[in-house]
Amino acid sequence: DVKVTQSSRYLVKRTGEKVFLECVQDMDHENMFWYRQDPGLGLRLIYFSYDVKMKEKGDIPEGYSVSREKKERFSLILESASTNQTSMYLCASTVAGGGNTGELFFGEGSRLTVL
Amino acid sequence: AQTVTQSQPEMSVQEAETVTLSCTYDTSESNYYLFWYKQPPSRQMILVIRQEAYKQQNATENRFSVNFQKAAKSFSLKISDSQLGDTAMYFCAFMRANAGNMLTFGGGTRLMVKP
Repeated sequence: DVKVTQSSRYLVKRTGEKVFLECVQDMDHENMFWYRQDPGLGLRLIYFSYDVKMKEKGDIPEGYSVSREKKERFSLILESASTNQTSMYLCASTVAGGGNTGELFFGEGSRLTVL
Repeated sequence: AQTVTQSQPEMSVQEAETVTLSCTYDTSESNYYLFWYKQPPSRQMILVIRQEAYKQQNATENRFSVNFQKAAKSFSLKISDSQLGDTAMYFCAFMRANAGNMLTFGGGTRLMVKP
């Protein structure tokens, strides 16, 4: 089974702190995604990566950056956390190219609270 | 740009009964895919069912089936013989063909199955 692991299930941070959210997948997937989940808004794409060191902005990239130094790991960085970044963050991965089925494999989520 | 709308924020159903979750979408694309994803409480989101727009036949997966009305841009999910384990958030999602697994999600419907 595909496993997508997010490093922290719950985090509480102060405004202005730098926050790292880590995601690791074990299925050699090319594509990785970071989503933000808010009530009533569903999932919104922050950033995605289709290869090592490659990244593309999603719908709501402001205030976030990402890093993909290894194929299995995709990190989301909040350079200076703000209260409006309090949310659930979901990481997902999937195969690329011919496996373009739309089936994303998700982690359990990281619930971030910024005080 | 595509939009996906789920008009029912919350629903409930008695165990063993049938429930239908609604989803509408807006797109100018002719070739696309539609999905229903399930997010159980505190667990990973998983794919429930997938529909290719070029297929007229509605997709089914065991107790889960869809009613795909392309002209109306409607994509509802029917859950038959509801079980307690069906309690979850359900997200409708849209993907353009050859879009690199880039999904657009609706706002979600919280389904509670009551004993």
